[in-house]
Amino acid sequence: ETGVTQSPTHLIKTRGQQVTLRCSSQSGHNTVSWYQQALGQGPQFIFQYYREEENGRGNFPPRFSGLQFPNYSSELNVNALELDDSALYLCASRKAGEETQYFGPGTRLLVL
Amino acid sequence: EDQVTQSPEALRLQEGESSSLNCSYTVSGLRGLFWYRQDPGKGPEFLFTLYSAGEEKEKERLKATLTKKESFLHITAPKPEDSATYLCAVQSHTSNSGYALNFGKGTSLLVTP
Repeated sequence: ETGVTQSPTHLIKTRGQQVTLRCSSQSGHNTVSWYQQALGQGPQFIFQYYREEENGRGNFPPRFSGLQFPNYSSELNVNALELDDSALYLCASRKAGEETQYFGPGTRLLVL
Repeated sequence: EDQVTQSPEALRLQEGESSSLNCSYTVSGLRGLFWYRQDPGKGPEFLFTLYSAGEEKEKERLKATLTKKESFLHITAPKPEDSATYLCAVQSHTSNSGYALNFGKGTSLLVTP
C-alpha cells in the first residue's frame, strides 16, 4: 500500500469525448507524475508537476493536460479522446529531492 | 535517447527453480535504475533503486545488481506468489523531462507449483 490513490478505477468513454482522472499523492510527496500504460507495454511518461507547475513532459500532444493543487492532489485531463488512448493511466508521487516514485493503482480507460 | 530492453519477455519457472531477469540500458548520465513488480491490472510496486555500478540490493528472495550497461534481478527459490511482471526503468541526469522514468516492456514471470 503506497498511499497513492486514484479515481475512478474504471471508465468507458466514446471517441471525441473528454475525461478527467484524479490522483491523491502520498502524504509528504509534493511531486506527481502521470504515465500511460498500453496493454503489454511499460508505462510511458506523460508529464510531471511540482509546486502546481508542469516541469517535465514526454511525447504526448497538448490535448493531454494536467493540474496539481495546493494539497498535492492532481488531475489528468484528456480532450478529444481517440481509440488509442485506451490504456491504464498511472499516477506516481515522490518527495522533492528523492528519486523513487510510488505508484497508485491506476485508472483503466476504455475509449469506444 | 535513453533505451531500456528487458529479457526474456516471458519466463516460466518451477517453484524453487532460481533464475535471473535482465535489463540492458543506454542512458546519458544515470541518475538511478529502478525495479518494480506489477500484478495484472494493478499499479507498479517499488522494489529497488540502484545508483552506481557494483551496487547490490536484496529483499526476501530477490536480489538486484547493477553494472554500467545492465542490471539483473535474481530470483532465488521462487514461489508461486512471485508470479508477476517485473519492470525495469532508468532515470537520467540529462533528461529534459525532469525525473521521468523510462521503462522497459517488462518480463512476465510465472512460477508454477
